Amino acid sequence: ETGVTQTPRHLVMGMTNKKSLKCEQHLGHNAMYWYKQSAKKPLELMFVYSLEERVENNSVPSRFSPECPNSSHLFLHLHTLQPEDSALYLCASSQSRGVNQPQHFGDGTRLSIL
Amino acid sequence: TQLLEQSPQFLSIQEGENLTVYCNSSSVFSSLQWYRQEPGEGPVLLVTVVTGGEVKKLKRLTFQFGDARKDSSLHITAAQPGDTGLYLCAGADSWGKLQFGAGTQVVVTP
Repeated sequence: ETGVTQTPRHLVMGMTNKKSLKCEQHLGHNAMYWYKQSAKKPLELMFVYSLEERVENNSVPSRFSPECPNSSHLFLHLHTLQPEDSALYLCASSQSRGVNQPQHFGDGTRLSIL
Repeated sequence: TQLLEQSPQFLSIQEGENLTVYCNSSSVFSSLQWYRQEPGEGPVLLVTVVTGGEVKKLKRLTFQFGDARKDSSLHITAAQPGDTGLYLCAGADSWGKLQFGAGTQVVVTP
């Protein structure tokens, strides 16, 4: 139990569907992250939120839309995805942004686009 | 973009053997973290190294940060099947943004 919970664990969707990934952290952290993990590739940082404000958006396509309603919850809204978007999507949190802050990861959502 | 290269990509050894995983970059990092990820789970932090030349030990795992803070190594002594997993290194810039390597898949067979 890492204190970071992601739902659903698995998601299969068509390219025209709209779905959302949810992340909840019970650690009292102030920073939250979305990463994409594809096979044999480094984790790609997608978005960073600090104190509920988006502080980083790494050139992610607009078909991915993050939302952070409070410091404990983070969502990733998905629409009209492409097959290359199939991957493991990981959420993480840390006490704050900054050097030497360990990140606590959830177990991810395995996303498959048909 | 700071690129982190991990080697080898895959390592299969017998229980009781030793192994070393390397993490190299041409850029300097403020700190470097090592994570282990098991199937169906997210990465779990093993250690953070901060000072050039620093050596940290975690039971049978020894982590070293290069003097120039550009590279790191992870050495496992007398590996056990429970050490099986994907080992990831991640370098932090001055803002704390992590750049991950692609990982080394370690398999320890009984």
